[in-house]
Amino acid sequence: AQTVTQSQPEMSVQEAETVTLSCTYDTSENNYYLFWYKQPPSRQMILVIRQEAYKQQNATENRFSVNFQKAAKSFSLKISDSQLGDTAMYFCAFMKPFAGNQFYFGTGTSLTVIP
Amino acid sequence: DTAVSQTPKYLVTQMGNDKSIKCEQNLGHDTMYWYKQDSKKFLKIMFSYNNKELIINETVPNRFSPKSPDKAHLNLHINSLELGDSAVYFCASSLGGHQLGGEFQETQYFGPGTRLLVL
Repeated sequence: AQTVTQSQPEMSVQEAETVTLSCTYDTSENNYYLFWYKQPPSRQMILVIRQEAYKQQNATENRFSVNFQKAAKSFSLKISDSQLGDTAMYFCAFMKPFAGNQFYFGTGTSLTVIP
Repeated sequence: DTAVSQTPKYLVTQMGNDKSIKCEQNLGHDTMYWYKQDSKKFLKIMFSYNNKELIINETVPNRFSPKSPDKAHLNLHINSLELGDSAVYFCASSLGGHQLGGEFQETQYFGPGTRLLVL
């Protein structure tokens, strides 16, 4: 079974600063997908960024980027120039394709951006 | 245009009652899911349907029964509600592994959630 670990239950960052959220996972698969989702107080689950395991290049989406270390099974999220709207729970997720596309979520990191 | 919608948003009910939560997606996706998010924010898959067929059924009490009348809808019916059923329930959908332009589109799109409170 796949497990996803987010070791930081809570984090805070000053507005405009950079913060990194950690995520590790355990799998014996070689082909899989990794995601970061954001859940603001509105409870909506919003996709932040995704990474295919077969791609060596780290994914980036504007202020969001990942550091994907396949050998170490690590998938951290870096948020640059943090904004107040980034305050939310962040969930790391693992998915193995063709197995019902089941997502395995981490326990989440609550990020607070301080003005 | 709402991509994945759920009704109701809030549901307060008494123990022992039967209730349903509806989910609809207008994205043309083949696969739909139900997740439960407990009070500690932990998200766990409950069911997954692909083209109206059940493909994931995690260890969930028999009181929970998903129903997919067509691939755009996946409803969740809960019988004999218990206090422990109180949670936020999320519906999600994805293309389901189809290749699109040479890449798999596995991203799941979530509905706004239904907060269920059993008294």
